[in-house]
Amino acid sequence: GAVVSQHPSRVICKSGTSVKIECRSLDFQATTMFWYRQFPKQSLMLMATSNEGSKATYEQGVEKDKFLINHASLTLSTLTVTSAHPEDSSFYICSAPRAGSGYGYTFGSGTRLTVV
Amino acid sequence: GQQLNQSPQSMFIQEGEDVSMNCTSSSIFNTWLWYKQDPGEGPVLLIALYKAGELTSNGRLTAQFGITRKDSFLNISASIPSDVGIYFCAGPHFQGAQKLVFGQGTRLTINP
Repeated sequence: GAVVSQHPSRVICKSGTSVKIECRSLDFQATTMFWYRQFPKQSLMLMATSNEGSKATYEQGVEKDKFLINHASLTLSTLTVTSAHPEDSSFYICSAPRAGSGYGYTFGSGTRLTVV
Repeated sequence: GQQLNQSPQSMFIQEGEDVSMNCTSSSIFNTWLWYKQDPGEGPVLLIALYKAGELTSNGRLTAQFGITRKDSFLNISASIPSDVGIYFCAGPHFQGAQKLVFGQGTRLTINP
């Protein structure tokens, strides 16, 4: 089946530094990747949609200069949290639709970001 | 706005019991999805429903797409410890573009 590999699974960084999260589609081409953020005991909130070869589209209230998204190939999308602050600590998850699978999107295993 | 309301928010049951949870919306959905999220993991699709009235099973799980297209329920029969987790309903976002909107989740805890 379709697999999306997400790395790292956990990262701790200091305030002011940047962190890059990678999501790779292992056995299919992901022309689109959705990036979500999930705070403890809350639901998944869509942050942005990345499309291969074009600029990402961001949901209302999400700072595009803070959350840099790159989708340079059909198998790799990255999210970089720039100048991280403690309030950016969260669980970040990517998800990719696979052609012909309807809405049966494949999710990555998530990245737990802790900013200290 | 488009919202999915899940209930209950949490459930504490004994192993072996049946579980029922539901999801409602003020707007019509053409697709209902049920996901399960284990702690520290991404969600995994359990069941997808594409037609009003549809009743679909996946092992001990059964989900139905409500006739009004504004609700769906998920049942789990004879619960086992590995059923522990958070269950989310989801549906297509009104903005389209393949986006999904998620319910708040139902957290299931099972006492052995």
